[in-house]
Amino acid sequence: DSGVTQTPKHLITATGQRVTLRCSPRSGDLSVYWYQQSLDQGLQFLIQYYNGEERAKGNILERFSAQQFPDLHSELNLSSLELGDSALYFCASSVAGAGLTNYGYTFGSGTRLTVV
Amino acid sequence: DAKTTQPPSMDCAEGRAANLPCNHSTISGNEYVYWYRQIHSQGPQYIIHGLKNNETNEMASLIITEDRKSSTLILPHATLRDTAVYYCIGSMYTGNQFYFGTGTSLTVIP
Repeated sequence: DSGVTQTPKHLITATGQRVTLRCSPRSGDLSVYWYQQSLDQGLQFLIQYYNGEERAKGNILERFSAQQFPDLHSELNLSSLELGDSALYFCASSVAGAGLTNYGYTFGSGTRLTVV
Repeated sequence: DAKTTQPPSMDCAEGRAANLPCNHSTISGNEYVYWYRQIHSQGPQYIIHGLKNNETNEMASLIITEDRKSSTLILPHATLRDTAVYYCIGSMYTGNQFYFGTGTSLTVIP
C-alpha cells in the first residue's frame, strides 16, 4: 500500500457520460498529480494541484477538469466521454509544492476506466 | 526538463545483474536523474535518484557518468518480479511534474 488511495478501481460507463475519479494523497502530502495511461501509450501528465490550487497543466482535454479540496483529496471529472478516453488514470502525491521530494512522487494503484 | 533516451526493451537472466542505460545529454546542472518502474499496469514505483554521485539503496544502484550525460541503473540480482517498464527521468529537484517517456521494458528470464 503506497498510501495514495484511488477510487474506484474499475469503472465502466457509456459514451457521452460523466464520471468522477477520486484520489486521497498520502498523509502529509500537499501536491496531487493526475496522469493518464492509454493502451500502448506512456504516462501522460494531466494536471497538478498544490494545497487546493492548480499548479500546472499538461495534456488535459477541455472535457476534463479537476479540483483539490480543503482536506487535500482530489477529484478528476471526465465528461462527454468518448471511447478514446478508456485508460488507466493514476494519481500521485508529493510533499512539496514544487513537486519533488527525496522520493519524487508516490503513485496510487490507478482507476481503470472503460468507455463502451 | 531534460530529454532522456532509453532502449525500448532488454532481457536479463534471473540472478544476474540488470544494467539499464539512459542517455540524458541535455541535462542541466541542477537536474536530478530519477528512476521509476511500472509493473504491469500498477502505479509507477520510485527506485532511486541522483545528481552527480553514484547512489545505492536497497533496490538498486545508480551510476552517473562524470559528464552527467548518461546513467545506468543496476539491479544487482534480477528476479522475475523485476520484470517491468523502467523509466529514466531528468528533473529539477524543485521542479514540477514528471514527464515520462516510453521507458525500457525489462524482461527477466528464468
